[in-house]
Amino acid sequence: DAGVTQSPTHLIKTRGQHVTLRCSPISGHKSVSWYQQVLGQGPQFIFQYYEKEERGRGNFPDRFSARQFPNYSSELNVNALLLGDSALYLCASSLEGQGIYEQYFGPGTRLTVT
Amino acid sequence: DQQVKQNSPSLSVQEGRISILNCDYTNSMFDYFLWYKKYPAEGPTFLISISSIKDKNEDGRFTVFLNKSAKHLSLHIVPSQPGDSAVYFCAALMDSNYQLIWGAGTKLIIKP
Repeated sequence: DAGVTQSPTHLIKTRGQHVTLRCSPISGHKSVSWYQQVLGQGPQFIFQYYEKEERGRGNFPDRFSARQFPNYSSELNVNALLLGDSALYLCASSLEGQGIYEQYFGPGTRLTVT
Repeated sequence: DQQVKQNSPSLSVQEGRISILNCDYTNSMFDYFLWYKKYPAEGPTFLISISSIKDKNEDGRFTVFLNKSAKHLSLHIVPSQPGDSAVYFCAALMDSNYQLIWGAGTKLIIKP
């Protein structure tokens, strides 16, 4: 079974540009979450989507947006990139139900802003 | 405000011995705690979890203990193996949302 996939693996952008990151969840998983991880820290929650609706948003500026498609894949968009946006962006999917909280992560997209 | 804290950036343990990784939290509303392992260039991998209504959960070599009064949990790995060398993250969430709140991680090094 395929796990969570993310594309691209690595990306280099210039300040002020826009970037789109993509995520495909595990088959059957309807929830997708996005996290930002900077070096030396744990992941920080950005967004969660469930059944194509935004269910949660972390403390990130409006430059960050996301959406989920009918096939449950998801995109994370970041506008007006700043140097501080350089990080590993992780996508996770989960099969939710009573007592099921585990999220399964993709390998991440390494974004470098120069 | 860091709600989940892992105060040890790194831990070195001899192969075959017990590894104990610690995690403290401040929010008593957390309902569920999870441990993840992360290798370089890979996403975190789910290891084991525990509900806030329990004090212990065991899965093979991995056991998680929860002390609610102390707002402390620990992950025990017995016996430690070279493949256990990785960064371990503690994470927590509330039933009311599914946002995982993460600690900064502890790098575990298993010495042969």
